[in-house]
Formats: sequence, C-alpha cells, structure tokens
Amino acid sequence: TQLLEQSPQFLSIQEGENLTVYCNSSSVFSSLQWYRQEPGEGPVLLVTVVTGGEVKKLKRLTFQFGDARKDSSLHITAAQPGDTGLYLCAGVDSSNTGKLIFGQGTTLQVKP
Amino acid sequence: DVKVTQSSRYLVKRTGEKVFLECVQDMDHENMFWYRQDPGLGLRLIYFSYDVKMKEKGDIPEGYSVSREKKERFSLILESASTNQTSMYLCASSSPGTDTDTQYFGPGTRLTVL
Repeated sequence: TQLLEQSPQFLSIQEGENLTVYCNSSSVFSSLQWYRQEPGEGPVLLVTVVTGGEVKKLKRLTFQFGDARKDSSLHITAAQPGDTGLYLCAGVDSSNTGKLIFGQGTTLQVKP
Repeated sequence: DVKVTQSSRYLVKRTGEKVFLECVQDMDHENMFWYRQDPGLGLRLIYFSYDVKMKEKGDIPEGYSVSREKKERFSLILESASTNQTSMYLCASSSPGTDTDTQYFGPGTRLTVL
C-alpha cells in the first residue's frame, strides 16, 4: 500500500516568514501533485512534478521532487495572508487507474 | 474551464436515513471519484469509476454505494446514514492520459448525521 506522510499538520506564521512543507513516502511515485484548498471549496491543483530532482516555481512557491521520486517539498518565501489554506500533496498511484494517494494535509495560517 | 458541481453544499440527515449525494462534471471526463475529508486524515477515497456503469472500491467503501448511469454523473449513496459518516464529501473527475492525472474537484458537501 502506498502512503504519503505530510508534515507539519499545522503551521501558523507571521506575514513575511518562510516555510517548508514536506511530503514523504517509502514508495516511488510516477509523479506527485500539490493542491491548495480554501475554506468552503474543493482542492485546486498548483503543480505536478514528474522527474526526479525536478524543481518548479510558481511565484513565491517552490516545489521539489526528490531524486528517488519518493518525497517532495513545498517552500513558500515571504508568506502572505493570501497563502492561508490547506495544502495537500498527492502521489499518482502506480496501478495506472488515475487514482491519487493523498497526504494528510498541512493547514497554513499566515497572520498579518 | 472544467466544472464539477455537487448537489448540496450542506446537508443534515437523521441516523438511518438513505442519503444521495450527486456530482456532475461537464468536461466529458472518464474518471470520477468520491472522497471524504476529515481533519488530520486528508482525503480518503470511497469509490471511483472509470467508465459508465463501472465502479471500483476505494480505501473506505463500507457503508457506501455508488451509481454511474451517465458519463457526467456519479452518485454516492449512504444506504443507512450513521453519525460516523458526518464529514465533508468531495467529488472529483479526471481524464486518463491528459493533464498528468489532474483531478478537478467540486466544492464539497458537508454532511451532518444526527
């Protein structure tokens, strides 16, 4: 069974601080996705990383896929209150059914 | 833009009632999914479907059933609702071979079972 461990579960920081969210597994994933969910809405895809060692940037957000494709991280530079939300990592299941394996999620609160 | 809609945003039901949650997508996606979301547990897959009339059990199918009579519609049924099924329910759709398995989610239905 493929599992994804996401940490930390909760993060409360001041505006302008940096933070990193981790997503780890003992399994290899063909690709890994990061979603963001705002209150009252469904998750929305931020990025997909496919190649081991890949780094993708989305403005102040930097996503990295581990060399062995077992782990990933999300780094936010100079967090803003608008970054507040639930961040979810999801690995593409190896069974090729389109299923995703989700981490537990990280609730981020950025205080002004 | 892909749109996934769910029939209700909030629902309150009594223990033992039969509950129907409806999900409709407008992008002709083959795959559709039902998840429940609980704090600290992330999204857990209940059932998914990769074609009309096809269904597969996810990680937590007990107490639930599904129906997919049309490609755009995927229904989740709670045969006899129980208080431990109080949760947020999320529907999603995707198309195999495109968008690297991106799932598009509806806004969710918050179900309370009293």
